[in-house]
Amino acid sequence: SQKIEQNSEALNIQEGKTATLTCNYTNYSPAYLQWYRQDPGRGPVFLLLIRENEKEKRKERLKVTFDTTLKQSLFHITASQPADSATYLCALGEAGYGQNFVFGPGTRLSVLP
Amino acid sequence: DGGITQSPKYLFRKEGQNVTLSCEQNLNHDAMYWYRQDPGQGLRLIYYSQIVNDFQKGDIAEGYSVSREKKESFPLTVTSAQKNPTAFYLCASSIGSGTGRFEQYFGPGTRLTVT
Repeated sequence: SQKIEQNSEALNIQEGKTATLTCNYTNYSPAYLQWYRQDPGRGPVFLLLIRENEKEKRKERLKVTFDTTLKQSLFHITASQPADSATYLCALGEAGYGQNFVFGPGTRLSVLP
Repeated sequence: DGGITQSPKYLFRKEGQNVTLSCEQNLNHDAMYWYRQDPGQGLRLIYYSQIVNDFQKGDIAEGYSVSREKKESFPLTVTSAQKNPTAFYLCASSIGSGTGRFEQYFGPGTRLTVT
């Protein structure tokens, strides 16, 4: 059956360290993978998209990798800050499915001062 | 200000009543979506619309209905047939297919409680 798994449910790290979140998938062939940030009680906010032919994408302190062989994406936040504390969702999009993406359950990140 | 709005933020209903959740966008996006989010779970797609006057069922459409009569508006009705309607409902929009742009813009959500 199809499945998207993200880290453990929660991840705690110290301020200044690099946070690494994982997104693993089974029985999908995504052409695109997105990462979103969601704060409590609010809608998700788009962060980054990476395509299947891209190994890595960066935006400021964020870096995403996409390994179609391992069926995994890694999301890194360098020099993490307490303001980075939120839930992070990955979403997979398959070619031919238009704009539809399937979301993972999310990882709740807490950056401790 | 461009964006996507949902109203109300909180909604309370008695079991057996239909309720309609509003979603409006002024981003000129073709595609719109409705998701449901339950505690500790990811977003599950209820309905989506790629263009005005057309919409498709998502993974959990049973007990829900939508309309797309205007580009800006995509209301969701939660009917009495939905067995477990209490949840956080999120509306989203994206530019549309053929653009190479896939990011979705989400509204603030409506928390529906049915007792």
